[in-house]
Amino acid sequence: DAEITQSPRHKITETGRQVTLACHQTWNHNNMFWYRQDLGHGLRLIHYSYGVQDTNKGEVSDGYSVSRSNTEDLPLTLESAASSQTSVYFCASSESYSGGGLEFFGPGTRLTVL
Amino acid sequence: TQLLEQSPQFLSIQEGENLTVYCNSSSVFSSLQWYRQEPGEGPVLLVTVVTGGEVKKLKRLTFQFGDARKDSSLHITAAQTGDTGLYLCAGGGNAGNMLTFGGGTRLMVKP
Repeated sequence: DAEITQSPRHKITETGRQVTLACHQTWNHNNMFWYRQDLGHGLRLIHYSYGVQDTNKGEVSDGYSVSRSNTEDLPLTLESAASSQTSVYFCASSESYSGGGLEFFGPGTRLTVL
Repeated sequence: TQLLEQSPQFLSIQEGENLTVYCNSSSVFSSLQWYRQEPGEGPVLLVTVVTGGEVKKLKRLTFQFGDARKDSSLHITAAQTGDTGLYLCAGGGNAGNMLTFGGGTRLMVKP
């Protein structure tokens, strides 16, 4: 069965370190998204991609970067982790846009920056 | 920036009761989605509504999209403990699959 996976599921790191969170989907979806979820803020969009070599900034992109070298993967990198980036991160994918689209979410990565 | 406000933020009810949660905005959305999220998991899509005034039913859950496509409601009839979770609404804009999420309603159904 097609799926979307994230790794690691839990990560503790220190301020200033570079961290990469992996997202892999086997739906063959063109669209992939990264969100962070914090209490009181719901889900906020960090970066998104509409296909290979395409990346775009979302609402809260500062301090994060992504790259899309193939259809299946969209890794999220925190260049220099900060305590404000402690959060739960969700990756999502969807088919090409068609009247609102559908999104399939991964299980999430809980990141703690000390 | 399009904003979605969900109310109430928290709701605790007894099993068998009915409830309604709301999702409101001053912006028009091309579609609106509702998700349920369990602790430690990602959101799971429940429904997408795209037409103003549209009503969709999913067993005991009834979803309505406002006529002006600015708001939506989720009504649960005879709530069960299995309905416990975080309910999120998300509005779709006109640019690709960009979604704006509300802050969520945390529902607890007690036996």
